[in-house]
Amino acid sequence: GQQVMQIPQYQHVQEGEDFTTYCNSSTTLSNIQWYKQRPGGHPVFLIQLVKSGEVKKQKRLTFQFGEAKKNSSLHITATQTTDVGTYFCAGTPYGTGFQKLVFGTGTRLLVSP
Amino acid sequence: GAVVSQHPSWVICKSGTSVKIECRSLDFQATTMFWYRQFPKQSLMLMATSNEGSKATYEQGVEKDKFLINHASLTLSTLTVTSAHPEDSSFYICSARDWASGGNEQFFGPGTRLTVL
Repeated sequence: GQQVMQIPQYQHVQEGEDFTTYCNSSTTLSNIQWYKQRPGGHPVFLIQLVKSGEVKKQKRLTFQFGEAKKNSSLHITATQTTDVGTYFCAGTPYGTGFQKLVFGTGTRLLVSP
Repeated sequence: GAVVSQHPSWVICKSGTSVKIECRSLDFQATTMFWYRQFPKQSLMLMATSNEGSKATYEQGVEKDKFLINHASLTLSTLTVTSAHPEDSSFYICSARDWASGGNEQFFGPGTRLTVL
């Protein structure tokens, strides 16, 4: 079945260092979304990418959707302690309309001051 | 932004009993809601898609007689875990999409932590 893997599973950085998580799908996606889940909390929507090769920025966060629409990445520049949490990519498989999302395995980020 | 609530936020029950979890969209109408299950430090697994006024669509491997879903109104979906057992202990999260806004993102409820003794 549809699988969406993320690497790394976990990363511990010092405040100010950069961080990147990679998302890879076994099948082509019509869109990719990114969510952040703080410890003990629920996922919160960050962004959606739809076009092949699309790049979007939100302050220190840069999101990219691969040309083949099977992979994506999230890069955080100069991490802060407020960036702590688990970052999930979530894709909509082609053929399912804009209904369900398949969540990636997640990358847990820990930032030390 | 759109707000989704869940009730209860946590519940402890005895093995063999049934537990109902409510998911409400507070400031928008949701024709479709989604139910997920999340184990500690793991990803969200989609259990079913709840459609207002019709039967839910269950993902492969999810027992529809075990996890009863009812979406009787445009703002409320319920998940009932029937004859709960310890292996059903998990974090259950619902989400909804605000179709009227034109957005595609899902808004998540705060989740319900179920512990079955």
